[in-house]
Amino acid sequence: QSALTQPPSASGSPGQSVTISCTGTSSDVGNYNYVSWYQQHPGKAPKLMIFEVNKRPSGVPDRFSGSKSGNTASLTVSGLQAEDDADYYCSSYAGSNIVVFGGGTKLTVL
Amino acid sequence: EVQLVESGGGLVQPGRSLRLSCAASGFTFDDYAMHWVRQAPGKGLEWVSGISWNSGNIGYADSVKGRFTISRDNAKNSLYLQMNSLRAEDTALYYCAKGGHIVATINFDYWGQGTLVTVSS
Repeated sequence: QSALTQPPSASGSPGQSVTISCTGTSSDVGNYNYVSWYQQHPGKAPKLMIFEVNKRPSGVPDRFSGSKSGNTASLTVSGLQAEDDADYYCSSYAGSNIVVFGGGTKLTVL
Repeated sequence: EVQLVESGGGLVQPGRSLRLSCAASGFTFDDYAMHWVRQAPGKGLEWVSGISWNSGNIGYADSVKGRFTISRDNAKNSLYLQMNSLRAEDTALYYCAKGGHIVATINFDYWGQGTLVTVSS
């Protein structure tokens, strides 16, 4: 059970696009389409932004999109807005009823 | 309205035990898997344990396996986490999260506000 690998930080100016990567292995990200992304603002509970690689829950803006290639999943935020400034975490099912999270990425909107 | 309310956290000495509870409402509890996720102060999210709708499938993170036990009571719409042999590194905010039908469907679409566990002498 190793944590998924995310870059510690990412940044972009308002209106720009930014992509956050999440690298796992063939035992988790590469083997299942159960990859989710969460947004967390300081002092708040996480919020589901993407599930099953590229599905958006109701209410999540379509500026948020997810994808996967091999052992790496990605979250893209288009048209950055000030409220997107937050921590983002990926997670993946890893088989045998095990779930792993990434270390998190601090997204700064400049 | 879906609500998840955790309780049972507090200050506990190393080696002692604590039982967390999560009271669920606003959805059909026994249709969904449930999970515990923790966050140490200033750190990232760590999945702790998950349990399927019928308790038939259960998983634990390596860091807690053998010390923590997850359970649920569908009649009471409640989720539990029995934590034994607590260590300083278990200090964290513990969240209860609603999943999909099975443990694998990790769309944690609702979270509680968390209950703080502090392990210290």
